[in-house]
Amino acid sequence: ETGVTQSPTHLIKTRGQQVTLRCSSQSGHNTVSWYQQALGQGPQFIFQYYREEENGRGNFPPRFSGLQFPNYSSELNVNALELDDSALYLCASSPFQMNTEAFFGQGTRLTVV
Amino acid sequence: QKEVEQDPGPLSVPEGAIVSLNCTYSNSAFQYFMWYRQYSRKGPELLMYTYSSGNKEDGRFTAQVDKSSKYISLFIRDSQPSDSATYLCAMRDTGGFKTIFGAGTRLFVKA
Repeated sequence: ETGVTQSPTHLIKTRGQQVTLRCSSQSGHNTVSWYQQALGQGPQFIFQYYREEENGRGNFPPRFSGLQFPNYSSELNVNALELDDSALYLCASSPFQMNTEAFFGQGTRLTVV
Repeated sequence: QKEVEQDPGPLSVPEGAIVSLNCTYSNSAFQYFMWYRQYSRKGPELLMYTYSSGNKEDGRFTAQVDKSSKYISLFIRDSQPSDSATYLCAMRDTGGFKTIFGAGTRLFVKA
């Protein structure tokens, strides 16, 4: 098991609502990336935070936003939820900006109804 | 066309077989190539990564990168039922932060 923990593990939300997902990075890691993994697909990069700043973003709309805190934990916020947002959301932490050696948490399964 | 293509399988082999998993890609700027293993209801676990072309071996696992063909492979020797999982290839360029994953190949190793 990695030292990356995510909460909650499962979540059900209604279309149009807002959701916040949380991630505690592995000790000593200052970089956190978030991914969306739809069923049967590989993870898709949402964005990356390094020392509390967003320094890379994938093809996701602005209603996907995030934060990183001084202790390097992180949040992913999604506004105006859509049915297609139903997926496994993964957080990965790494000791450097270049996240070749990234350690993933177990994910949060979000279902939008 | 996707940047990274990976056959979703499923791939079913008997215990002890040599498994070959492959990905192709279109972006010649990719320099880092990773393989992850993902068990059901778990996050991906990094198995190996390779920089640029060449081979890398770690126990029963061997990763190969052929940049001229834009083709990467993962070989698993003496496969075990515990190797049954989804295997994801991933890659990125030198200066970027965005890692691109393949769709994953589901592997079943039968005892």
